[in-house]
Amino acid sequence: EAQVTQNPRYLITVTGKKLTVTCSQNMNHEYMSWYRQDPGLGLRQIYYSMNVEVTDKGDVPEGYKVSRKEKRNFPLILESPSPNQTSLYFCASSLRLAGNEQFFGPGTRLTVL
Amino acid sequence: KQEVTQIPAALSVPEGENLVLNCSFTDSAIYNLQWFRQDPGKGLTSLLLIQSSQREQTSGRLNASLDKSSGRSTLYIAASQPGDSATYLCAVDPQRRGGYNKLIFGAGTRLAVHP
Repeated sequence: EAQVTQNPRYLITVTGKKLTVTCSQNMNHEYMSWYRQDPGLGLRQIYYSMNVEVTDKGDVPEGYKVSRKEKRNFPLILESPSPNQTSLYFCASSLRLAGNEQFFGPGTRLTVL
Repeated sequence: KQEVTQIPAALSVPEGENLVLNCSFTDSAIYNLQWFRQDPGKGLTSLLLIQSSQREQTSGRLNASLDKSSGRSTLYIAASQPGDSATYLCAVDPQRRGGYNKLIFGAGTRLAVHP
């Protein structure tokens, strides 16, 4: 089944404890991205990647890192999480950057205490 | 700057009604428009994708139309059911001008269908 998977689905952590949210797609998509969703602010893009080893900042990249060492994986790294990073996170992928349907993962609910 | 607006913000209807959700966008230079469904605290489920060259797409009780020149899309839900209760988001895939490298989302319409 074609899908985007994220892990973990739920995470409660404390300020400053490094964490990684994994994202994997099995559709051989070139383009992958991360969004966060907050009440009243909608979905905002954090980072995106157009292919292996090609990443760039989105609208709200501060406090996050990403890497794209393999085509299928695009992990989101929070080196030192803070409470303002409490949010619902989505990974998405599409065949290429422009003009293709985007597929979203199930979301990761992160709480930083 | 591409902006996406959805009207109404919330809608409550009795079961069985046909309803229309509206989405408008400011720049007609798009590749496509997607409608998503989101249940509370959950992921995004893609409902319909309309390419810029298309006028409408249908899936079961859902029909989405696109008028690119006027910057409008509608999602029509026939014979609504309580299971349709969710937030519906529309998003445009803008042609790559001005540094856009992402979908542009509307704020959503929160739909409640009561028995």
